[in-house]
Amino acid sequence: NAGVTQTPKFQVLKTGQSMTLQCAQDMNHNSMYWYRQDPGMGLRLIYYSASEGTTDKGEVPNGYNVSRLNKREFSLRLESAAPSQTSVYFCASSERLAGIIQYFGAGTRLSVL
Amino acid sequence: DQQVKQNSPSLSVQEGRISILNCDYTNSMFDYFLWYKKYPAEGPTFLISISSIKDKNEDGRFTVFLNKSAKHLSLHIVPSQPGDSAVYFCAASVEGNEKLTFGTGTRLTIIP
Repeated sequence: NAGVTQTPKFQVLKTGQSMTLQCAQDMNHNSMYWYRQDPGMGLRLIYYSASEGTTDKGEVPNGYNVSRLNKREFSLRLESAAPSQTSVYFCASSERLAGIIQYFGAGTRLSVL
Repeated sequence: DQQVKQNSPSLSVQEGRISILNCDYTNSMFDYFLWYKKYPAEGPTFLISISSIKDKNEDGRFTVFLNKSAKHLSLHIVPSQPGDSAVYFCAASVEGNEKLTFGTGTRLTIIP
């Protein structure tokens, strides 16, 4: 009964390096989300996917790309990491968009030096 | 433009007393509201929700109140327990919209 699983849990990058954050859910949910959490800012939506094969921008999409690989998996890619992308990243899923509870993973703590 | 605001970054309450966490919103289109609880190094977990057609929802020690005219939401925890020490986020959504808008969070500390 894993729920939403994120890998890795921690990562340190140098400016300009790339990496992919992985997320998988086993609840057969249609919708998946990527958020970032910064001090004093709450959680801000980066990208979301309403269903397999669709993705849309959220509030802060610049510098990120996403792939909805299948119904279970939704990855977030940083092509050229910047110090401003130092944050804690959370993946979430829900049965459908809006009005329904979102379930979160444990997060990935990313530092960009 | 912060559409969901939690104006108290932190709150300390004695064990056994009532904890009241507040949240204000500016978007009158919001029609579903949620509270999430977050422990350090963990993801947020759903606590309780309320639809705009109601003004109160209760689940055990947790009660959420909604005042639509004031665009104000509050979470009451009675009685407060040490395990309630966490960061609490309120969130809001619009039916048919794609996203959940979160507040900045309130850190609740329960003093034994």
